[in-house]
Amino acid sequence: NAGVTQTPKFRILKIGQSMTLQCTQDMNHNYMYWYRQDPGMGLKLIYYSVGAGITDKGEVPNGYNVSRSTTEDFPLRLELAAPSQTSVYFCASSYGPAMETQYFGPGTRLLVL
Amino acid sequence: DAKTTQPNSMESNEEEPVHLPCNHSTISGTDYIHWYRQLPSQGPEYVIHGLTSNVNNRMASLAIAEDRKSSTLILHRATLRDAAVYYCILRVFPGGGTSYGKLTFGQGTILTVHP
Repeated sequence: NAGVTQTPKFRILKIGQSMTLQCTQDMNHNYMYWYRQDPGMGLKLIYYSVGAGITDKGEVPNGYNVSRSTTEDFPLRLELAAPSQTSVYFCASSYGPAMETQYFGPGTRLLVL
Repeated sequence: DAKTTQPNSMESNEEEPVHLPCNHSTISGTDYIHWYRQLPSQGPEYVIHGLTSNVNNRMASLAIAEDRKSSTLILHRATLRDAAVYYCILRVFPGGGTSYGKLTFGQGTILTVHP
């Protein structure tokens, strides 16, 4: 049981490039989330999904897109990378909403130059 | 959303108890108090949660004030591995309007444990 896995661990992008951050969970969780964490700050929710085919915006969705075609995978897409998107990105999952524990992946560190 | 206030940092010695405070004076009746922690270079991990009564698990204890306006996370014997950022988070029960399990992270308390 690997839990929540994320790839890549680290990436450097040039301004305007695009990339997809991968997230996979093997716990059969319905709910999945993407957060970003800027230096010295707490995490902020980008997008979330309550099940395959269903996604919705969180607090800071601008510049990102997501899809959820399977229960296991929840990729995050950056279309036109900007320096403001330099951050650490965490994917999380939970069996249900609200009181259910969220399990986090190890994070992807992204640097946009 | 109701907000929480935590000290920026705290220090402890190894094998001593640690009491991490959290103020949440605007908490509502449907808010649960959750604690997560984030070890260096890792994603956050769940620690404990409660509503009104004190709670214990293998990691920690949660003491909740009678008026629920504050709570304290207790690590009974700190180890070096407990050095992390600790987040106190209020989560609304689904009936309160938040159905997707939103976790609102503040800046947390940086706990340093000395050998």
